[in-house]
Amino acid sequence: GNSVTQMEGPVTLSEEAFLTINCTYTATGYPSLFWYVQYPGEGLQLLLKATKADDKGSNKGFEATYRKETTSFHLEKGSVQVSDSAVYFCALYGNKLVFGAGTILRVKS
Amino acid sequence: SQTIHQWPATLVQPVGSPLSLECTVEGTSNPNLYWYRQAAGRGLQLLFYSVGIGQISSEVPQNLSASRPQDRQFILSSKKLLLSDSGFYLCAWSKLAGSTGELFFGEGSRLTVL
Repeated sequence: GNSVTQMEGPVTLSEEAFLTINCTYTATGYPSLFWYVQYPGEGLQLLLKATKADDKGSNKGFEATYRKETTSFHLEKGSVQVSDSAVYFCALYGNKLVFGAGTILRVKS
Repeated sequence: SQTIHQWPATLVQPVGSPLSLECTVEGTSNPNLYWYRQAAGRGLQLLFYSVGIGQISSEVPQNLSASRPQDRQFILSSKKLLLSDSGFYLCAWSKLAGSTGELFFGEGSRLTVL
Protein backbone atom coordinates (compact mmCIF):
# COMPACT_ATOMS: atom_id res chain seq x y z
CA GLY A 1 0.00 0.00 0.00
CA ASN A 2 0.91 3.66 -0.13
CA SER A 3 3.19 4.99 2.59
CA VAL A 4 5.18 8.06 3.58
CA THR A 5 8.47 8.15 5.45
CA GLN A 6 9.75 11.32 7.10
CA MET A 7 13.02 12.05 8.82
CA GLU A 8 12.81 11.59 12.55
CA GLY A 9 12.99 14.61 14.77
CA PRO A 10 13.14 16.69 16.64
CA VAL A 11 15.05 19.05 14.39
CA THR A 12 16.54 21.95 16.33
CA LEU A 13 17.83 25.00 14.46
CA SER A 14 18.89 28.52 15.23
CA GLU A 15 16.93 31.40 13.78
CA GLU A 16 17.85 32.17 10.15
CA ALA A 17 19.27 28.69 9.57
CA PHE A 18 18.44 26.65 6.47
CA LEU A 19 15.83 23.95 6.91
CA THR A 20 15.40 20.63 5.15
CA ILE A 21 12.93 17.98 6.26
CA ASN A 22 13.19 14.83 4.17
CA CYS A 23 10.14 12.98 2.92
CA THR A 24 10.01 9.95 0.67
CA TYR A 25 6.99 8.00 -0.44
CA THR A 26 5.89 4.67 -1.85
CA ALA A 27 2.83 4.69 -4.04
CA THR A 28 1.24 3.19 -7.08
CA GLY A 29 0.22 5.56 -9.81
CA TYR A 30 0.68 9.30 -9.56
CA PRO A 31 -0.29 10.60 -6.13
CA SER A 32 -0.60 14.20 -5.05
CA LEU A 33 1.82 15.25 -2.33
CA PHE A 34 1.30 17.61 0.60
CA TRP A 35 2.97 19.22 3.55
CA TYR A 36 0.77 20.01 6.53
CA VAL A 37 1.86 22.01 9.59
CA GLN A 38 0.59 21.74 13.16
CA TYR A 39 1.38 24.62 15.48
CA PRO A 40 1.39 23.90 19.23
CA GLY A 41 -2.05 23.04 20.56
CA GLU A 42 -3.76 23.40 17.20
CA GLY A 43 -5.10 21.26 14.39
CA LEU A 44 -3.29 20.74 11.10
CA GLN A 45 -3.32 23.16 8.23
CA LEU A 46 -2.18 22.76 4.68
CA LEU A 47 1.21 24.35 4.05
CA LEU A 48 1.79 23.47 0.39
CA LYS A 49 1.04 20.85 -2.22
CA ALA A 50 2.13 19.49 -5.58
CA THR A 51 -0.06 17.41 -7.86
CA LYS A 52 2.33 16.12 -10.50
CA ALA A 53 5.98 15.34 -11.10
CA ASP A 54 8.37 18.32 -11.12
CA ASP A 55 5.73 20.62 -9.61
CA LYS A 56 7.03 22.92 -6.89
CA GLY A 57 4.71 23.85 -4.05
CA SER A 58 5.51 26.97 -2.07
CA ASN A 59 4.02 29.01 0.75
CA LYS A 60 5.30 31.26 3.55
CA GLY A 61 8.89 30.83 2.34
CA PHE A 62 8.67 27.03 2.37
CA GLU A 63 9.18 25.02 -0.81
CA ALA A 64 8.99 21.38 -1.86
CA THR A 65 9.48 19.80 -5.29
CA TYR A 66 7.73 16.62 -6.41
CA ARG A 67 10.58 14.32 -7.52
CA LYS A 68 9.20 11.19 -9.11
CA GLU A 69 12.62 9.75 -9.95
CA THR A 70 13.62 9.75 -6.28
CA THR A 71 10.05 9.46 -4.91
CA SER A 72 10.73 12.42 -2.66
CA PHE A 73 9.07 15.65 -1.57
CA HIS A 74 11.59 17.33 0.75
CA LEU A 75 10.53 20.49 2.57
CA GLU A 76 12.96 23.43 2.54
CA LYS A 77 13.14 26.97 3.86
CA GLY A 78 16.05 29.31 3.43
CA SER A 79 15.80 31.11 6.76
CA VAL A 80 13.66 29.79 9.59
CA GLN A 81 12.04 31.86 12.30
CA VAL A 82 11.04 31.04 15.85
CA SER A 83 7.42 31.17 14.69
CA ASP A 84 8.10 28.21 12.37
CA SER A 85 8.40 25.91 15.38
CA ALA A 86 5.76 23.26 14.79
CA VAL A 87 5.21 19.67 13.69
CA TYR A 88 5.41 19.11 9.95
CA PHE A 89 3.60 16.24 8.24
CA CYS A 90 4.27 14.96 4.77
CA ALA A 91 1.29 13.28 3.12
CA LEU A 92 0.25 11.70 -0.14
CA TYR A 93 -3.13 11.25 -1.74
CA GLY A 94 -3.84 8.32 -4.04
CA ASN A 95 -7.34 7.19 -3.20
CA LYS A 96 -7.02 8.37 0.39
CA LEU A 97 -4.75 10.65 2.37
CA VAL A 98 -1.77 8.92 4.02
CA PHE A 99 0.34 10.85 6.53
CA GLY A 100 3.93 10.46 7.60
CA ALA A 101 4.76 10.28 11.31
CA GLY A 102 5.53 13.99 11.56
CA THR A 103 8.75 15.88 12.26
CA ILE A 104 9.05 18.27 15.18
CA LEU A 105 10.89 21.49 14.33
CA ARG A 106 12.24 23.70 17.11
CA VAL A 107 13.77 27.05 16.23
CA LYS A 108 15.84 28.86 18.85
CA SER A 109 16.33 32.61 18.93
CA SER B 1 -16.20 30.87 4.21
CA GLN B 2 -16.09 27.39 5.64
CA THR B 3 -15.34 26.71 9.29
CA ILE B 4 -15.03 23.61 11.40
CA HIS B 5 -15.46 23.40 15.13
CA GLN B 6 -14.75 20.67 17.64
CA TRP B 7 -15.68 20.39 21.27
CA PRO B 8 -14.80 19.97 23.97
CA ALA B 9 -11.24 21.16 23.50
CA THR B 10 -9.98 19.29 26.56
CA LEU B 11 -11.44 16.34 28.37
CA VAL B 12 -10.28 14.24 31.32
CA GLN B 13 -12.25 11.05 31.83
CA PRO B 14 -11.91 7.97 34.04
CA VAL B 15 -11.42 4.52 32.56
CA GLY B 16 -14.75 2.91 31.77
CA SER B 17 -16.65 6.17 31.33
CA PRO B 18 -18.43 7.13 28.07
CA LEU B 19 -17.15 9.60 25.52
CA SER B 20 -18.75 11.99 23.08
CA LEU B 21 -16.76 14.38 20.90
CA GLU B 22 -18.64 16.57 18.48
CA CYS B 23 -17.61 18.23 15.26
CA THR B 24 -19.59 20.58 13.04
CA VAL B 25 -18.79 22.16 9.72
CA GLU B 26 -20.31 25.39 8.45
CA GLY B 27 -20.34 27.04 5.07
CA THR B 28 -20.35 23.94 2.89
CA SER B 29 -22.70 21.12 1.94
CA ASN B 30 -22.13 17.38 1.62
CA PRO B 31 -18.60 17.40 2.98
CA ASN B 32 -16.61 14.26 3.56
CA LEU B 33 -15.89 14.06 7.27
CA TYR B 34 -13.02 12.38 9.09
CA TRP B 35 -11.89 11.54 12.62
CA TYR B 36 -8.15 11.16 13.24
CA ARG B 37 -6.27 10.33 16.42
CA GLN B 38 -2.81 11.58 17.20
CA ALA B 39 -1.19 9.69 20.06
CA ALA B 40 1.69 11.34 21.91
CA GLY B 41 4.85 11.25 19.84
CA ARG B 42 3.17 9.52 16.93
CA GLY B 43 1.60 10.42 13.65
CA LEU B 44 -2.00 10.63 12.57
CA GLN B 45 -4.22 7.58 12.50
CA LEU B 46 -7.45 7.70 10.50
CA LEU B 47 -10.26 6.29 12.63
CA PHE B 48 -13.45 6.94 10.66
CA TYR B 49 -14.63 8.71 7.58
CA SER B 50 -18.06 9.51 6.22
CA VAL B 51 -19.25 10.42 2.74
CA GLY B 52 -22.84 11.15 3.77
CA ILE B 53 -25.48 11.08 6.49
CA GLY B 54 -25.52 7.71 8.23
CA GLN B 55 -22.56 6.43 6.17
CA ILE B 56 -19.56 5.57 8.32
CA SER B 57 -16.41 3.67 7.36
CA SER B 58 -14.08 2.41 10.04
CA GLU B 59 -10.38 2.15 9.38
CA VAL B 60 -9.30 0.34 12.52
CA PRO B 61 -11.11 -1.96 14.95
CA GLN B 62 -11.46 -0.41 18.39
CA ASN B 63 -13.94 0.47 21.07
CA LEU B 64 -14.78 3.78 19.42
CA SER B 65 -17.68 4.50 17.11
CA ALA B 66 -18.76 7.39 14.94
CA SER B 67 -22.08 8.73 13.79
CA ARG B 68 -23.24 11.36 11.34
CA PRO B 69 -26.78 12.33 12.26
CA GLN B 70 -26.78 15.45 10.08
CA ASP B 71 -24.94 16.50 6.94
CA ARG B 72 -22.42 18.68 8.75
CA GLN B 73 -22.24 16.98 12.12
CA PHE B 74 -19.84 14.19 13.03
CA ILE B 75 -19.71 12.57 16.47
CA LEU B 76 -17.08 10.29 17.97
CA SER B 77 -18.26 8.09 20.83
CA SER B 78 -17.27 5.36 23.19
CA LYS B 79 -19.33 3.42 25.72
CA LYS B 80 -16.33 2.58 27.90
CA LEU B 81 -13.01 4.37 27.59
CA LEU B 82 -9.67 2.61 27.85
CA LEU B 83 -6.35 4.11 28.92
CA SER B 84 -5.12 3.62 25.37
CA ASP B 85 -7.84 5.96 24.09
CA SER B 86 -5.90 8.96 25.39
CA GLY B 87 -4.74 11.25 22.62
CA PHE B 88 -5.45 14.26 20.49
CA TYR B 89 -8.53 13.78 18.31
CA LEU B 90 -8.88 15.75 15.13
CA CYS B 91 -11.94 16.18 13.00
CA ALA B 92 -11.50 17.17 9.38
CA TRP B 93 -13.56 17.74 6.25
CA SER B 94 -12.86 17.69 2.56
CA LYS B 95 -14.68 18.81 -0.54
CA LEU B 96 -16.34 16.37 -2.93
CA ALA B 97 -14.99 12.86 -2.41
CA GLY B 98 -11.61 13.93 -1.09
CA SER B 99 -10.52 14.01 -4.66
CA THR B 100 -7.80 16.57 -4.09
CA GLY B 101 -6.50 15.16 -0.83
CA GLU B 102 -6.80 18.57 0.83
CA LEU B 103 -8.31 18.33 4.28
CA PHE B 104 -9.41 21.12 6.59
CA PHE B 105 -8.88 20.35 10.23
CA GLY B 106 -10.57 21.44 13.42
CA GLU B 107 -8.70 22.68 16.47
CA GLY B 108 -8.59 19.24 18.06
CA SER B 109 -9.84 17.69 21.29
CA ARG B 110 -7.32 16.48 23.83
CA LEU B 111 -8.57 13.44 25.73
CA THR B 112 -6.84 12.11 28.83
CA VAL B 113 -8.12 8.85 30.26
CA LEU B 114 -7.06 8.21 33.86
